[in-house]
Amino acid sequence: QLQLQESGPGLVKPSETLSLTCTVSGGSISSTGYYWVWIRQPPGKGLEWIAGIYYTGSSFYNPSLKSRVTISVDTSKNHFSLKLNSVTAADTAMYYCARTKLGVPFDPWGQGTLVNVSS
Amino acid sequence: DIQMTQSPSTLSASVGDRVTITCRASQTISSWLAWYLQKPGKAPKLLIYKASSLESGVPSRFSGSGSGTEFTLTISSLQPDDFATYYCQQYNSYPYTFGQGTKLEIK
Repeated sequence: QLQLQESGPGLVKPSETLSLTCTVSGGSISSTGYYWVWIRQPPGKGLEWIAGIYYTGSSFYNPSLKSRVTISVDTSKNHFSLKLNSVTAADTAMYYCARTKLGVPFDPWGQGTLVNVSS
Repeated sequence: DIQMTQSPSTLSASVGDRVTITCRASQTISSWLAWYLQKPGKAPKLLIYKASSLESGVPSRFSGSGSGTEFTLTISSLQPDDFATYYCQQYNSYPYTFGQGTKLEIK
């Protein structure tokens, strides 16, 4: 059974870089056809897709965040990562990772990790 | 970006009720629509994909319909475990977008 687990600091200072990792277990991140994505949800608010990546490194971003986001993949560690720079309080959110493929919605999801941007 | 609009934002109902949530897309998305259920502190759980296909393990009281720009999620007989927030999501084109959510509350 495929499982995803987010990890990273729970507190980031304003103007700094948020860095998160999603570790995949029970399956290979190099599985053909599957993409790996990040989604976030500010407290009490809705869901926003951030970025996605294929195991080859091909990546795609939400235009609303593209200038600040970098997504990467490490197939040797079976994980993928997110960096969001120049964070502000508006970036405080639960960050989720998930899997998708063409014609398939996000499933499964990790349990999420809460990142608070505060000095 | 494709905008997804859910209604209502909040819905009060009782155990055993039949409820319907609507999701409208700002442009046609064919049947590339998913429904998720989210409970507090938990990740969203996939219920329905391709507008009307039930995800494995999801009770048959959940059903989805629609195509193009208008979609519905129906719960035929509410159970206590169903009180949560529901989100629709289009996966027709990136950036994939979600509705704002519908909170289903106990009346």
